[in-house]
Amino acid sequence: DTGVSQNPRHKITKRGQNVTFRCDPISEHNRLYWYRQTLGQGPEFLTYFQNEAQLEKSRLLSDRFSAERPKGSFSTLEIQRTEQGDSAMYLCASSDLGRSYEQYFGPGTRLTVT
Amino acid sequence: AQKITQTQPGMFVQEKEAVTLDCTYDTSDPSYGLFWYKQPSSGEMIFLIYQGSYDQQNATEGRYSLNFQKARKSANLVISASQLGDSAMYFCAMREGQGGSEKLVFGKGTKLTVNP
Repeated sequence: DTGVSQNPRHKITKRGQNVTFRCDPISEHNRLYWYRQTLGQGPEFLTYFQNEAQLEKSRLLSDRFSAERPKGSFSTLEIQRTEQGDSAMYLCASSDLGRSYEQYFGPGTRLTVT
Repeated sequence: AQKITQTQPGMFVQEKEAVTLDCTYDTSDPSYGLFWYKQPSSGEMIFLIYQGSYDQQNATEGRYSLNFQKARKSANLVISASQLGDSAMYFCAMREGQGGSEKLVFGKGTKLTVNP
C-alpha cells in the first residue's frame, strides 16, 4: 500500500481563478472523502463517494465547489472563482467498505488564495 | 452546539510519563463511533484508535487507550510512556449513526508537547 496521495501539495492562486486538486486513494478502497481544514481548526467534512457515486455533500460545499470520482478510483475537487476564504488545507481520505470507521488520510493540498 | 469539545488547547508532558487528552461529545444518536487522530507538523492525519458506542470494553492500541465514559459522554485519550515523537496535534472525532452518514465531525484539537 502506498497510502493516499494528493496533488499538488501546495497551490497559490489569485482570487477569481479556478483550481483543481487530485486525490488517489489506497487501491481497492471504495470510499473516498474530502475535508477542509482551516488554521486552528479540526477538519470539516465536505463530501464523500462510494465508488463513483457521490453520496453525501456538506452545506459547506457551495456551488463553486464540485467533486468527481468518475471511475471509482481517483477523485478531483474543483473550486471555481476562488475567494480568499477558500484558503485552507484540503484533505482527502479513503476507507474500505468493511472497515469504514478507519479513514486513512492523505498529506493534503494547501491552498492559498491571494 | 459543538458536537465535539476539546477543552485543552495545549498540553505538556515529560518524556516517559502518561498524559490524558480530554474529549467530550454531544449526540442523541444511540449508535455512534469515536475516533482519535494525530496530526504531526507534516499535516497528515494519522488514525490512532476507535471506540464504538456499543463496545463494552475501552479500546486500546499499543500505547494508546480510550477512556470511554458513556454516561458522561467523554472519550479521553490516554497515551502511556510518552515519546518525543508524540508531539503533535490530536483531534477527537465522532461519526453518528450506523450505516448512515459517513462524515467525521472533529474537535478543535489539542497540541501536545513532549519535553525531554
